[in-house]
Amino acid sequence: AQRVTQPEKLLSVFKGAPVELKCNYSYSGSPELFWYVQYSRQRLQLLLRHISRESIKGFTADLNKGETSFHLKKPFAQEEDSAMYYCALSGQMNRDDKIIFGKGTRLHILP
Amino acid sequence: KAGVTQTPRYLIKTRGQQVTLSCSPISGHRSVSWYQQTPGQGLQFLFEYFSETQRNKGNFPGRFSGRQFSNSRSEMNVSTLELGDSALYLCASTYRGLNEQFFGPGTRLTVL
Repeated sequence: AQRVTQPEKLLSVFKGAPVELKCNYSYSGSPELFWYVQYSRQRLQLLLRHISRESIKGFTADLNKGETSFHLKKPFAQEEDSAMYYCALSGQMNRDDKIIFGKGTRLHILP
Repeated sequence: KAGVTQTPRYLIKTRGQQVTLSCSPISGHRSVSWYQQTPGQGLQFLFEYFSETQRNKGNFPGRFSGRQFSNSRSEMNVSTLELGDSALYLCASTYRGLNEQFFGPGTRLTVL
């Protein structure tokens, strides 16, 4: 079955420390992977997508097809990174294009 | 560009009633998707409309339906409401497809 798993509900990291938010997926095919972010009192918004292969706000994510992972990383955490992060996968499932979101990880940056 | 708007922002209904939620996409966007967000299940895809046609559908019962108008505005209807339908309903728009989606603020539905 198609699935997106974010194993950590909450991740607390000190300011300046590296951040890694984990995302594993299950999908038989070539998915498109995304990271969405929701800052406090703001809308859910796209952070980055794997096909862009770009760094946004210092975050990067590499699609590892062998490990079926798409972990989000940042070398030095900043306080403004505190937010809810969702990993998402889109692809064809039962002849429909669908998108599946993980349950999210709350990132808390400690001062 | 104005963002995605959703009305109403809050709604309280009782079991058995029906409800209609509205979503206005970003100007020029032709695809509108709907999601249900709950603490237990997270964010779940309901369906996507493109050019007034339902193009993709998630795994929700037929009580959940929608439509899209020629101006790309979309409505979602839930009939015979159940307590478990209490959730934040989000809509998102894109020019086409399920790639980068722009989300609205959501409608919080409470079923009593």
